[in-house]
Amino acid sequence: EAGVTQFPSHSVIEKGQTVTLRCDPISGHDNLYWYRRVMGKEIKFLLHFVKESKQDESGMPNNRFLAERTGGTYSTLKVQPAELEDSGVYFCASSQGWGRGNEQFFGPGTRLTVL
Amino acid sequence: GIQVEQSPPDLILQEGANSTLRCNFSDSVNNLQWFHQNPWGQLINLFYIPSGTKQNGRLSATTVATERYSLLYISSSQTTDSGVYFCAVENTGNQFYFGTGTSLTVIP
Repeated sequence: EAGVTQFPSHSVIEKGQTVTLRCDPISGHDNLYWYRRVMGKEIKFLLHFVKESKQDESGMPNNRFLAERTGGTYSTLKVQPAELEDSGVYFCASSQGWGRGNEQFFGPGTRLTVL
Repeated sequence: GIQVEQSPPDLILQEGANSTLRCNFSDSVNNLQWFHQNPWGQLINLFYIPSGTKQNGRLSATTVATERYSLLYISSSQTTDSGVYFCAVENTGNQFYFGTGTSLTVIP
């Protein structure tokens, strides 16, 4: 069974440009999460989808970030316009259910560099 | 949110040595996971261990939920074990809270 996949693995863009990250969860997992690690700090939660609905987006830093999960399958995270402080590694995770007893499976991450 | 503290922050080992990494958390948790971030930045799932003990090869982990800590044991360390080890806990139903990690360097 394929794990969580993310594309691209690495993206280098200039400040002010737009970047779209993609995450494909494990097949059958209704729950999809985005996290990021920026500036060498701890990994932090961004948001949580249940199918196509946003269950919790309390971690989204500002309105330059837009996450979508049309059809409840793959998800995209768009950063527009990108700023220098957005550089870091963006992780996606998925789980079958959520809450107690549900392991989150993480993808390999997308390393974003904003110059 | 829940506070997660990992120790030590940095660790340098000679190849073949054993080590213990610790994760303390400030509240009761539903879930706890250990991860290894390799030098390429990829996050590798090591253990899903909200309680009890698990072993996988040279790695093992123990969580004592009532005392709010978890330990990750690495035996006979190898250079490929180098990287950052993260502990993450969840108590709100969805989001995991990560510690700041233990950076491990294994030298030949």
